[in-house]
Amino acid sequence: QSALTQPPSASGSLGQSVTISCTGTSSDVGGYDYVSWYQHFPGKAPTLLIYEVNKRPSGVPDRFFGSKSGNTASLTVSGLQADDEADYYCSSYTANNNFVAFGGGTKLTVL
Amino acid sequence: EVQLVESGGGLVQPGGSLRLSCAGSGFTFSNYAMSWVRQAPGKGLEWVSVISGGGGSTYYADSVKGRFTISRDNSKNTLFLQMNSLRADDTAVYYCAKGVRGVPLYSGMDVWGQGTTVTVSS
Repeated sequence: QSALTQPPSASGSLGQSVTISCTGTSSDVGGYDYVSWYQHFPGKAPTLLIYEVNKRPSGVPDRFFGSKSGNTASLTVSGLQADDEADYYCSSYTANNNFVAFGGGTKLTVL
Repeated sequence: EVQLVESGGGLVQPGGSLRLSCAGSGFTFSNYAMSWVRQAPGKGLEWVSVISGGGGSTYYADSVKGRFTISRDNSKNTLFLQMNSLRADDTAVYYCAKGVRGVPLYSGMDVWGQGTTVTVSS
């Protein structure tokens, strides 16, 4: 069981927006601004989309937006494109034993 | 080009050992925390371990604590993961990843290797 809770699936139509949630506790998501989001295509290396809640690495389109409210972080993907279909993972520093927690991942389908 | 290349994966029997390596290039290796992350077949990403830029601080997931050891040789721009007492549930693709910063040890991982496969089976 993952320390951070994500919906197993999400979907949206081409050109629309979708938001993926990531729920933790005050020991991780809620307590620290060290939430990151990754895009993962099966068989490929994951790529960083968002770090420190809402910062985008260079090269990541501004269609990807990160935010946080209380113990829940969110990734919003706007202007959905067919090649956004992938698995998305959130992660956070945690003050609990494991130091870093991942969510279980969300499979995004573009309709 | 910033790049990480893992090696050392393979088939090992339960109870055996394996040492993974990760060679970094295109950045000042010693300035950044480095992590190992794995993905078991059909499962999600699982963080395994992190080491500070200088190598003095290390942290482990509970699932590997006491069996795995992370280390680095900054003179050779190389990260290691020594895995002992391997179990079937350690079977996974293992990725090394570069931290966004040197400090804190974890605020995101911005460069990932292509992964190396570890299979623990008799």
